[in-house]
Amino acid sequence: DAGITQSPRHKVTETGTPVTLRCHQTENHRYMYWYRQDPGHGLRLIHYSYGVKDTDKGEVSDGYSVSRSKTEDFLLTLESATSSQTSVYFCAISSDRFSSYEQYFGPGTRLTVT
Amino acid sequence: EDKVVQSPLSLVVHEGDTVTLNCSYEVTNFRSLLWYKQEKKAPTFLFMLTSSGIEKKSGRLSSILDKKELFSILNITATQTGDSAVYLCAVEGYSTLTFGKGTMLLVSP
Repeated sequence: DAGITQSPRHKVTETGTPVTLRCHQTENHRYMYWYRQDPGHGLRLIHYSYGVKDTDKGEVSDGYSVSRSKTEDFLLTLESATSSQTSVYFCAISSDRFSSYEQYFGPGTRLTVT
Repeated sequence: EDKVVQSPLSLVVHEGDTVTLNCSYEVTNFRSLLWYKQEKKAPTFLFMLTSSGIEKKSGRLSSILDKKELFSILNITATQTGDSAVYLCAVEGYSTLTFGKGTMLLVSP
């Protein structure tokens, strides 16, 4: 398995609280991605990064921010969590943008906002 | 807005059957189409397709892309219970990656 870990793996939080999810890789890949997966919607891209301090928005970026201060870490922050952000969040990495054969997904974080 | 539509949404077959999963798309500045398999965890990569008419094959799985008609199919021959999963199709545009909702395949013994 590719060296991707996500933390925490499960989190329950209250509406209005800030939440930060962490993705850590040991593959030294340039690209990192955050997705959310919801029943009826499939996987949707939130944000991605193409290098340290280089990030861009995906399809569903509203309410989320990201930061990448080191190659190995990509943080996803919900500034003020809402119930609509209850989801499973996946981090992915690739050595080249999106269509690389080497896009690997992390194990996922299940977030519940009550 | 980019769009990826997979069909059927779910499918139940018997072990040994052959199945065909469909993915149609509308995307600006098409770059590639990808297939993933997702069991009860993270998606795992199956195929990347960029050129029409060239079949990609891996064991009992194969896939082909038609860029004129804007669709791809994923074939699984001699299905096994281990093929039970959600199969995801994703299409890459200039700066986007759009996933379909997936096809849930159940292979019964």
